Amino acid sequence: AQTVTQSQPEMSVQEAETVTLSCTYDTSESNYYLFWYKQPPSRQMILVIRQEAYKQQNATENRFSVNFQKAAKSFSLKISDSQLGDTAMYFCAFMKHGSGGGADGLTFGKGTHLIIQP
Amino acid sequence: NAGVTQTPKFQVLKTGQSMTLQCAQDMNHNSMYWYRQDPGMGLRLIYYSASEGTTDKGEVPNGYNVSRLNKREFSLRLESAAPSQTSVYFCASNPETRAKNIQYFGAGTRLSVL
Repeated sequence: AQTVTQSQPEMSVQEAETVTLSCTYDTSESNYYLFWYKQPPSRQMILVIRQEAYKQQNATENRFSVNFQKAAKSFSLKISDSQLGDTAMYFCAFMKHGSGGGADGLTFGKGTHLIIQP
Repeated sequence: NAGVTQTPKFQVLKTGQSMTLQCAQDMNHNSMYWYRQDPGMGLRLIYYSASEGTTDKGEVPNGYNVSRLNKREFSLRLESAAPSQTSVYFCASNPETRAKNIQYFGAGTRLSVL
């Protein structure tokens, strides 16, 4: 079984600052995916960024980037030029690549509540 | 462009009552999932379905049953609701292609069991 750990229950930064959210995971799988999801007060789960474990290059999506360290089983999210709309819960999640090309469910961390102060 | 649709959005039940949460996706995805989210927790997998006609247990299946009615629909049934099942329930679907192995979520159902 996989576990995902987010060690920062809450973080607060000023608007326009850069913030890094931490995530570590434990697995014996070699082929898997890692995700960061954002959950604003509306409760909707929104995909922020995705990383495939076999890719060494870190994924980036506009102001969002990850630092993926496979050997250390670490997957942190960096948000640059933070905006008020980034205020939300952020969840790190793991998904193993299932047999036959299929995929199983996601294993989530407990989340980090990120607050962007004006 | 509906994506994943869940009904109802809110529900209050009394202990022992039964109900079915509905989920439908219009993206022609093979896999569908049910999760629950409790306060201070991430989502936890209840059941999933890799294809029409197949279902598998996740991390927390006790007290629930599921039906994959067709490729579009995946329902979650509580036969005899308990206060411990008070939670927010999310349905998700996944196209499972190499380039698009991503889960897309519905808006959630907030369920209270009194």
